[in-house]
Order: sequence, then C-alpha cells, then structure tokens
Amino acid sequence: EDQVTQSPEALRLQEGESSSLNCSYTVSGLRGLFWYRQDPGKGPEFLFTLYSAGEEKEKERLKATLTKKESFLHITAPKPEDSATYLCAVQAGTGGFKTIFGAGTRLFVKA
Amino acid sequence: DADVTQTPRNRITKTGKRIMLECSQTKGHDRMYWYRQDPGLGLRLIYYSFDVKDINKGEISDGYSVSRQAQAKFSLSLESAIPNQTALYFCATSSPPTLATDTQYFGPGTRLTVL
Repeated sequence: EDQVTQSPEALRLQEGESSSLNCSYTVSGLRGLFWYRQDPGKGPEFLFTLYSAGEEKEKERLKATLTKKESFLHITAPKPEDSATYLCAVQAGTGGFKTIFGAGTRLFVKA
Repeated sequence: DADVTQTPRNRITKTGKRIMLECSQTKGHDRMYWYRQDPGLGLRLIYYSFDVKDINKGEISDGYSVSRQAQAKFSLSLESAIPNQTALYFCATSSPPTLATDTQYFGPGTRLTVL
C-alpha cells in the first residue's frame, strides 16, 4: 500500500538552531515528491518538487533532499517566520493519477 | 487577487442540511480537486476533475458530490451533512502533467462545522 509518513509530528527550535524534517514513503513508481508549507488558516503553499534519488533543491533557509526511501527538509538557521506546518506528498507514476499526502510536521521557531 | 478562491471561508451548519462549497480559479488550469484536512490525518482526496466532462471519485467520496460548471469552477456538495464531515476543505488546481510531475496549487480553505 502506498504510504507517506512524516516525522516528527512537531518540532520546537530556537532561532538559529538548524534541524531536519523527515518524510518516509512507499509508493509504486515514484513520479515526484513535493514539499509544501502551510500557515495556520491557509492553504498549502508549494515549495519544491524532487524527481529522483540524489536530487537536491534549495530555497532561502530550506534545502530538500531525496533518497529512494525518504526525503529530508533541512532548515538552516531558522527564524520565527519559518514557523508553519510542512507537508510532504508523493505522486505515483503507475495506476494513473494519485497524490498521497503525509500528516505534516508542525515547526515552531522561538526567537 | 488570489489565483484560487473558495467560498465561504467559514460555515457552521446543522446535521441533515445540504451544503455547497464553491471554488474558482484564474490560473487557467484544467485539473481541479477537492480535499479535506483533519488533524493528524493529512489531506485526503474527495473528488477530482481533469476537465469539464471528467469527474472522478477520490479515496473518501461517500457523502459528497461535485459539479464542474466550467473550466474555472468546481463545487463540492454535502447532500445531508453529518458531524464527522466537520473539517477543513481545500480546493486545488493543476496544469496537465509534464513527463515528470503535476504540481497542485491550493485555495485558502473552507472551515466547515456540522453541529
């Protein structure tokens, strides 16, 4: 069964304290892995798409990496404005269209 | 103006009532989706539409119906609302997939409470 698991459920960091969020997946034929940011009361906002193992993408303090079994979202020197829920999703390349979302990691960054 | 809009943003209703949630987009995308989000469960797909004449059930379509009135409009209906349909509902759009991927863009959400 296709599945996406994110850990930890919640992460509390001090400003400047770097860390990583994990997204583990099992899917039949990965077509792409997505990272989204979701602020309270808002819809998910697209961050990255990763297509194959070994690929990396960066945006400001965020860096996403991908292996055959998991993806990491590394946050370097976070600021309070990075506080949000980060969602991971995978799209399968077989059986037609299918996108599966993880439950998300809630990140809190304290000044 | 936002690319994907949803109305209403908040709605409180009673068990047994019929409810319609509306979604409009100005992105020019052909594909539209309805998801619900519950704490700890992530986003789950209710229905999706690849064009005006194409409607497909997602993983949790029971108790819901949809209408694609135009390329830019996709409505979700709860024929007889029940309390466990209390959730945050999101509309999303995407353009036809490239060889690699099909990125979805989300609206701001509708918070629905069924008493």
